[in-house]
Amino acid sequence: DAGVIQSPRHEVTEMGQEVTLRCKPISGHDYLFWYRQTMMRGLELLIYFNNNVPIDDSGMPEDRFSAKMPNASFSTLKIQPSEPRDSAVYFCASSLPPLAGGDTQYFGPGTRLTVL
Amino acid sequence: AQSVSQHNHHVILSEAASLELGCNYSYGGTVNLFWYVQYPGQHLQLLLKYFSGDPLVKGIKGFEAEFIKSKFSFNLRKPSVQWSDTAEYFCAVRGNAGNMLTFGGGTRLMVKP
Repeated sequence: DAGVIQSPRHEVTEMGQEVTLRCKPISGHDYLFWYRQTMMRGLELLIYFNNNVPIDDSGMPEDRFSAKMPNASFSTLKIQPSEPRDSAVYFCASSLPPLAGGDTQYFGPGTRLTVL
Repeated sequence: AQSVSQHNHHVILSEAASLELGCNYSYGGTVNLFWYVQYPGQHLQLLLKYFSGDPLVKGIKGFEAEFIKSKFSFNLRKPSVQWSDTAEYFCAVRGNAGNMLTFGGGTRLMVKP
């Protein structure tokens, strides 16, 4: 399996621009997670989906952030408009359901976002 | 709400030294515990996990962790570190509700050759 795939790997944009991050989970994984990693705040869960439905979005910082999962093999995290404080590495992870051996979350390589 | 605390933010060791990284969690119910590792420039990978049974868990690359319920701790250990163990280590907890992981702040380990 190719693992969790994220694109782009690096994104540099200017303040005010829209940014879209993409994630393809491992095939057959029902859960998908978006995390943000910064030096100041560490690794934070932003939102997670189960069977394409958002379950908990309490970690989404503000209305500028939105996430969608239109189907089982694709999710996006959008920031509009972007701000310099959004600069971070954004990770996507996926897992099976807990009772089906979904004890391990598999992480993608991350997208390093820089907002100038 | 569950929380995870990693006491050491930065650790520097020489090769062959023993390693112990502290992790304490706060959660009232049954927990699942994890250690993930992030090598420089790479994504997080699972080192080991505890669900139930023997509280001493062995993971990959010679790492082990011990779950001490009375202390709400899940410390990571390795008897003899190598330069290639230089990485950031994250402790994480998952409670009964949902499938969310709560991560600690991470510990950056540097092993000097």
